[in-house]
Amino acid sequence: EPEVTQTPSHQVTQMGQEVILRCVPISNHLYFYWYRQILGQKVEFLVSFYNNEISEKSEIFDDQFSVERPDGSNFTLKIRSTKLEDSAMYFCASMGPGKNIQYFGAGTRLSVL
Amino acid sequence: QQQVKQSPQSLIVQKGGISIINCAYENTAFDYFPWYQQFPGKGPALLIAIRPDVSEKKEGRFTISFNKSAKQFSLHIMDSQPGDSATYFCAAREDFRDDKIIFGKGTRLHILP
Repeated sequence: EPEVTQTPSHQVTQMGQEVILRCVPISNHLYFYWYRQILGQKVEFLVSFYNNEISEKSEIFDDQFSVERPDGSNFTLKIRSTKLEDSAMYFCASMGPGKNIQYFGAGTRLSVL
Repeated sequence: QQQVKQSPQSLIVQKGGISIINCAYENTAFDYFPWYQQFPGKGPALLIAIRPDVSEKKEGRFTISFNKSAKQFSLHIMDSQPGDSATYFCAAREDFRDDKIIFGKGTRLHILP
């Protein structure tokens, strides 16, 4: 069964450093998303991306965050200057042209020290 | 308005018993209600979903009951098995306006063998 792949599974970084989280969505999918889950809390929407542009973003997704689909297969989330409160599990999701089910990756655990 | 409230936070059920998780929402524009199952170290995976034009949907041992007037919906797991032990998230989406999924806070379900 096709799946959304995320790398790395765990990223440790120092506060103030830039991180890039990578995702390979399911191959024929057109809609892409990032969500995050702070430990013990609910999964929260960050951003949706379609046709090479952001469709919607939450108030969490401030100027420190950016997304990119650089090569038609990868979908990345960049955090420019990480803060302690950015420590969370980040999930990538993708959805096919039928706009039905969002499939989630296994996540990247980001730890900001 | 955008919240989905979920209870209980945790649930312990004997093997063979019925597990019941409840959710409530305020936004009447929500028109798609998925349930996600998450195992440790994995991303959320769609378990079952319902639209508000039906009051119940059953897939195997999993049933969603939906009460549109009360703005409540629930997941019932019949004949609960130890392999059902996971975190369950109810969620909601406004299909026509945007794609983002609004998650409840999750219920940690443990099935005693």
